[in-house]
Amino acid sequence: DAGVTQSPTHLIKTRGQHVTLRCSPISGHKSVSWYQQVLGQGPQFIFQYYEKEERGRGNFPDRFSARQFPNYSSELNVNALLLGDSALYLCASSLGDRGLADTQYFGPGTRLTVL
Amino acid sequence: GDSVTQMEGPVTLSEEAFLTINCTYTATGYPSLFWYVQYPGEGLQLLLKATKADDKGSNKGFEATYRKETTSFHLEKGSVQVSDSAVYFCALTLSNTGKLIFGQGTTLQVKP
Repeated sequence: DAGVTQSPTHLIKTRGQHVTLRCSPISGHKSVSWYQQVLGQGPQFIFQYYEKEERGRGNFPDRFSARQFPNYSSELNVNALLLGDSALYLCASSLGDRGLADTQYFGPGTRLTVL
Repeated sequence: GDSVTQMEGPVTLSEEAFLTINCTYTATGYPSLFWYVQYPGEGLQLLLKATKADDKGSNKGFEATYRKETTSFHLEKGSVQVSDSAVYFCALTLSNTGKLIFGQGTTLQVKP
């Protein structure tokens, strides 16, 4: 089975622009989460979606938004890009209904560079 | 707040040496605990997990035991290989939101 896929692999934007990142979960998984990983640090939680509803949000500004589609794929949108938004953006999928035993599986990430 | 603390890296070992990477956590409840590994230029891969106290997770020769009394989840491997060189992240989850809280990562470098 295919794992979590993300597109694009790399992206270069300038300050003030908008970006959309895409994620396709593992088949059968209904939950998608987004994380931001700045170089040299651990990933930071941005959002989780389950069955197309937002189920959790991390401490990120309103410039960050996301949605989940009926096929469980997801988009992360970031408006008014700042230099500090440069990071690896990771998508993770899970079954979503296993409570604390739910395990998240990560995609390869999208490397965003803001100039 | 809830958090994960890992030992500072980088950790440099010779091939076949014994590995320990320390991980301790602070949590308001009873979390599930995870180790993820990140190879250069790649995303995170789940290495092992434990969902309750005294559980031992194991995979590919790595193991870690969930110790509630010491709030720890140390990663061990008896004999490391060059191919184990990567960044290792300890993480916890406490809620149905799926939010994973990660440590800062520990870089492991194994030399032939």
